[in-house]
Amino acid sequence: AQTVTQSQPEMSVQEAETVTLSCTYDTSESDYYLFWYKQPPSRQMILVIRQEAYKQQNATENRFSVNFQKAAKSFSLKISDSQLGDAAMYFCAYRSARGGADGLTFGKGTHLIIQP
Amino acid sequence: EAGVAQSPRYKIIEKRQSVAFWCNPISGHATLYWYQQILGQGPKLLIQFQNNGVVDDSQLPKDRFSAERLKGVDSTLKIQPAKLEDSAVYLCASSLDWGYYEQYFGPGTRLTVT
Repeated sequence: AQTVTQSQPEMSVQEAETVTLSCTYDTSESDYYLFWYKQPPSRQMILVIRQEAYKQQNATENRFSVNFQKAAKSFSLKISDSQLGDAAMYFCAYRSARGGADGLTFGKGTHLIIQP
Repeated sequence: EAGVAQSPRYKIIEKRQSVAFWCNPISGHATLYWYQQILGQGPKLLIQFQNNGVVDDSQLPKDRFSAERLKGVDSTLKIQPAKLEDSAVYLCASSLDWGYYEQYFGPGTRLTVT
């Protein structure tokens, strides 16, 4: 079974600064997807960024980028120019690329606080 | 495009009572997921449907939980009888199909069992 570990229960950053959230995972599969999801206090989960394991290039979405280290099974999220609206719980998630069962396996989350 | 709808948003019941949650996925989405999110944890998959068939229910406590997706559209998750440890947010998600496609989440139903 796959596991996802987020070792930072809470992170705090000044507005406009850069913050990096850590995630490691364990799997025996070679093909999979990795995700970062944001869950604001309203509770609706929103996809932030996705990485396909077969791609060497790190994914980027505006101020959000990842550092994907497949051999180390590490998948960190960097948020540049942090904004007050970035405050939320952030979950790292794994998804198999096998056919059929592909529910997400989530980490416990990191609570991101943005200091004005 | 309308998102994933869930109802009710909140529910409080006593232990040993039964409860049902409803989910309406995004139109045209073949794959539907139910997740359980206990306070302070990440969501855990309970069941995955592909159209009206079950793909994965390995983590569903089948002695008390049941789910169905009639006609491959709406889905209902039921708990009977409820236990204190079932207090959680129940999230429904849907995707166009399994595999590459993004999962879209609903707002969730917060269940409190007293």
